[in-house]
Amino acid sequence: AQSVSQHNHHVILSEAASLELGCNYSYGGTVNLFWYVQYPGQHLQLLLKYFSGDPLVKGIKGFEAEFIKSKFSFNLRKPSVQWSDTAEYFCAVRRGTYKYIFGTGTRLKVLA
Amino acid sequence: EAGVVQSPRYKIIEKKQPVAFWCNPISGHNTLYWYRQNLGQGPELLIRYENEEAVDDSQLPKDRFSAERLKGVDSTLKIQPAELGDSAVYLCASSSRAENTEAFFGQGTRLTVV
Repeated sequence: AQSVSQHNHHVILSEAASLELGCNYSYGGTVNLFWYVQYPGQHLQLLLKYFSGDPLVKGIKGFEAEFIKSKFSFNLRKPSVQWSDTAEYFCAVRRGTYKYIFGTGTRLKVLA
Repeated sequence: EAGVVQSPRYKIIEKKQPVAFWCNPISGHNTLYWYRQNLGQGPELLIRYENEEAVDDSQLPKDRFSAERLKGVDSTLKIQPAELGDSAVYLCASSSRAENTEAFFGQGTRLTVV
């Protein structure tokens, strides 16, 4: 079955620690990739997206993600997290006709 | 620019009762999605509209769920009758047909069926 896997369900970090959240998908062919973030009490917001070109994508708030086609992965990274990064992070794959498939999400808690 | 607007934000109903959710997408967005998000899960697509046409409703439980987007703008999602297992957050999203764009989400309606 087609799926998007986020292996870390809960992550707790101290401020200034580095972050890497894993995302793997099981589709072949061309895909568009996204990371969305949901801050407490807010709606899903786009962090970054990949369509083509440079596989290292820069997003908002210092986040970046790297598309590795051979590994079917699109991991999210941030060199130094802040307390305000506490949120839930969703990886999503869009294939063909605008259908987004989401991972189960990763809850990040950053300790001040 | 206003984002995707959903109402109500919260709804508590007894099982077997009907419920409806409303969504106003971003102006000019042809594509509208309804997603359901269960606790601890990612959003799952229920139905996708292109203008007023439902082009993907394969995941919509049609025995009790219905949706409409009569004029290709606002949309309503209805459940009748609701079951305990329908408790979830119902998300509406919209997107344009521009290349390299993403879907924009509303704040969702949290439904609790008791």
